[in-house]
Amino acid sequence: DQQVKQNSPSLSVQEGRISILNCDYTNSMFDYFLWYKKYPAEGPTFLISISSIKDKNEDGRFTVFLNKSAKHLSLHIVPSQPGDSAVYFCAAKDTGTASKLTFGTGTRLQVTL
Amino acid sequence: EPEVTQTPSHQVTQMGQEVILRCVPISNHLYFYWYRQILGQKVEFLVSFYNNEISEKSEIFDDQFSVERPDGSNFTLKIRSTKLEDSAMYFCASSERRRASTDTQYFGPGTRLTVL
Repeated sequence: DQQVKQNSPSLSVQEGRISILNCDYTNSMFDYFLWYKKYPAEGPTFLISISSIKDKNEDGRFTVFLNKSAKHLSLHIVPSQPGDSAVYFCAAKDTGTASKLTFGTGTRLQVTL
Repeated sequence: EPEVTQTPSHQVTQMGQEVILRCVPISNHLYFYWYRQILGQKVEFLVSFYNNEISEKSEIFDDQFSVERPDGSNFTLKIRSTKLEDSAMYFCASSERRRASTDTQYFGPGTRLTVL
């Protein structure tokens, strides 16, 4: 079951530069998408979300872009900071029929000095 | 800021034993969830719970699993007879609403279950 995919297991970015994390999905019924950040030995922490009626949502340094035709979303972090180093999970939901979140495999972001 | 809490943080048990994992969801939330993450794998949905009944469950959530809200604050996951493959991080989550498009699930810190 690979309905949500994060094809890059890891990403290294210099402090101050932009981090771009990508996510693809296959289920066309997904209409709500979330990004979570996870540190080791902690639970996922909600970052930002986007509904399928939008193509962009911004919150401070974090922006999520949604391309419904390509079934692709991305998370941009500008500027990247060392504290952003964590595993980032994309999650998707079909709000019409399901309560569950379907997660991707995660991308480990390392922000270097 | 309100948060989801879970106890214990780490549980070690022998195969075949029963375990109960406990969660205290955010106080005004109505929907509760359990997820798990086996080491090196993605976070997987187990079950959602609303109004004292299961609203959705995955194939993983078989007869060995059960959930309960024994009082106004706790939400528990019971595994009746643990297997080696149940070893994982178990995350509890809660949300105010289930189907609304702006619904967000907030996660607890997790319980690491180790089955020997």
